Amino acid sequence: SQKIEQNSEALNIQEGKTATLTCNYTNYSPAYLQWYRQDPGRGPVFLLLIRENEKEKRKERLKVTFDTTLKQSLFHITASQPADSATYLCAYRDSSYKLIFGSGTRLLVRP
Amino acid sequence: GAGVSQSPSNKVTEKGKDVELRCDPISGHTALYWYRQRLGQGLEFLIYFQGNSAPDKSGLPSDRFSAERTGESVSTLTIQRTQQEDSAVYLCASSLESGGAGNEQFFGPGTRLTVL
Repeated sequence: SQKIEQNSEALNIQEGKTATLTCNYTNYSPAYLQWYRQDPGRGPVFLLLIRENEKEKRKERLKVTFDTTLKQSLFHITASQPADSATYLCAYRDSSYKLIFGSGTRLLVRP
Repeated sequence: GAGVSQSPSNKVTEKGKDVELRCDPISGHTALYWYRQRLGQGLEFLIYFQGNSAPDKSGLPSDRFSAERTGESVSTLTIQRTQQEDSAVYLCASSLESGGAGNEQFFGPGTRLTVL
């Protein structure tokens, strides 16, 4: 079955450092991956989309990479701030066009 | 409206009762999705509607769950004979279209359902 996996352990980093979150997928080759941010008590909010023919995508302090050989996407936040603390979800659209989400990784940025 | 809205924001019910959750998508969005999120867990796909096509119900966990959508507007998710394991946040999302275009999903704030 198609699976998308994210590290379930929280990532705890110091303010100013770069946070790197990992998303791995199996048994499917998506045309693109999406990344979302979810704050407690709220619905997810779209951040970035990267297509299979794009190695890297940037938006302000965010950077996403997509390695179709490793079946992996990395999500980076540079110069992290306490306000970046949230759960980050990756997702891909499967062959029947459903958006399949990973379970998310919680990021904690210490001041 | 400005975004996806859901009602009620919170619902407490007794085991065995039926509940109905409502979602108002962004106007013009042809695709609408329902997800379930248990405490500390990821999003579990339930059902999605795309225009006039037959809905994809492959994620509904049992026949106690059903959903309807009126045209390209409001959707209701109904859970019959609720069980305690149905307790979760139910999230609705809409997007311009489904398919390979990669359109982002816009989520509502969710309905927190508690079954006593």
